[in-house]
Amino acid sequence: DTGVSQNPRHKITKRGQNVTFRCDPISEHNRLYWYRQTLGQGPEFLTYFQNEAQLEKSRLLSDRFSAERPKGSFSTLEIQRTEQGDSAMYLCASSLGSGSNQPQHFGDGTRLSIL
Amino acid sequence: AQSVTQLDSHVSVSEGTPVLLRCNYSSSYSPSLFWYVQHPNKGLQLLLKYTSAATLVKGINGFEAEFKKSETSFHLTKPSAHMSDAAEYFCVVSEELNYGGSQGNLIFGKGTKLSVKP
Repeated sequence: DTGVSQNPRHKITKRGQNVTFRCDPISEHNRLYWYRQTLGQGPEFLTYFQNEAQLEKSRLLSDRFSAERPKGSFSTLEIQRTEQGDSAMYLCASSLGSGSNQPQHFGDGTRLSIL
Repeated sequence: AQSVTQLDSHVSVSEGTPVLLRCNYSSSYSPSLFWYVQHPNKGLQLLLKYTSAATLVKGINGFEAEFKKSETSFHLTKPSAHMSDAAEYFCVVSEELNYGGSQGNLIFGKGTKLSVKP
């Protein structure tokens, strides 16, 4: 169990650029979640996958955001035409099973800064 | 809708004294509740979880939480604070669907920053 891995740890980009983040979940975890955390706030749910299927998307996930999980393993989160308001920590979590009592294991996040 | 309210944004204690971080939740069904800890520039680590088996839940690093349905509370406690406990703590409820099922995504409180003075 090597834990949830996120890359890159930090990303600085100019407004209007596209960015892509990667998340490698704990192996054999079938659920994968993306959250966004802004300064001084708790994480907010963005979207989640069960295996390769994206089952739920938050209203926070505008059409500039897209997430994929090909083959049900790693996941990518892409933001197109970045805006100042996209600056945040993007957290990935994974869990095993589908019950609400299954704990989610979090990565260390990708911190995005928009210049 | 489910929600979580952490009653204190900042708690300061002296090393060796008890810790109490307060949390109230709102849920229509039997909730799953969690406490997570986040150290600066790090991800979140699970401290403990409540899933209806026992109302007093023991977690890692000496933390405990008691589920009180009548008070809709899930406060986090520790008998004796250590300097390494200084971090941000999040009370979390697992989101439920209308029919009582769950899709598992978490709803976080705004966090309580714990400071520990030497």
